[in-house]
Amino acid sequence: GAGVSQSPSNKVTEKGKDVELRCDPISGHTALYWYRQSLGQGLEFLIYFQGNSAPDKSGLPSDRFSAERTGGSVSTLTIQRTQQEDSAVYLCASSADRLAKNIQYFGAGTRLSVL
Amino acid sequence: QKEVEQDPGPLSVPEGAIVSLNCTYSNSAFQYFMWYRQYSRKGPELLMYTYSSGNKEDGRFTAQVDKSSKYISLFIRDSQPSDSATYLCAMSPLNTGTASKLTFGTGTRLQVTL
Repeated sequence: GAGVSQSPSNKVTEKGKDVELRCDPISGHTALYWYRQSLGQGLEFLIYFQGNSAPDKSGLPSDRFSAERTGGSVSTLTIQRTQQEDSAVYLCASSADRLAKNIQYFGAGTRLSVL
Repeated sequence: QKEVEQDPGPLSVPEGAIVSLNCTYSNSAFQYFMWYRQYSRKGPELLMYTYSSGNKEDGRFTAQVDKSSKYISLFIRDSQPSDSATYLCAMSPLNTGTASKLTFGTGTRLQVTL
């Protein structure tokens, strides 16, 4: 597809379970970002990957959160031992690696509900 | 205090009105300024993108950046019911060829009524 694709679109899980969220960026985009959007909050940066460089993990809220990006394309965000406060919409974005550009294109998000 | 402040609204205007949406920020390193529109249960969609200070116009939308005041605005002329959405401002520092994270405002909910 032409845009950023995320799956699943909705995920309901029980407290304590692990979840995996998937992001497929726009073809050719070398930068990939994960953000979290909680009710009444703006988007909160979690992590980003840029080409072959080490990812910037500075926004991950705890060590229960991790992400990987395989082959420079698809990324998976994993949340271990989910808590109710993890309930949010998880958004993925990608951008082209162009000098002086930082235009990020977003997917529709995964709505996570932890019961 | 948050790096980017944005009035959450909701803002309700009649069709055809001029809408003014604003954000203030505290980080003087921000150089790129964007406005995203987000419909309910959808991802943010880029509307406007501005580098440094100045104005940029695209159809009914005008983005303004005043770096001296650390204040950015989005104006919507001849507002339409289809403009009803949440508008998010976002900004990032100057990059040197590598990408960097965006810092977002909380978003302003806009409702355009018939």
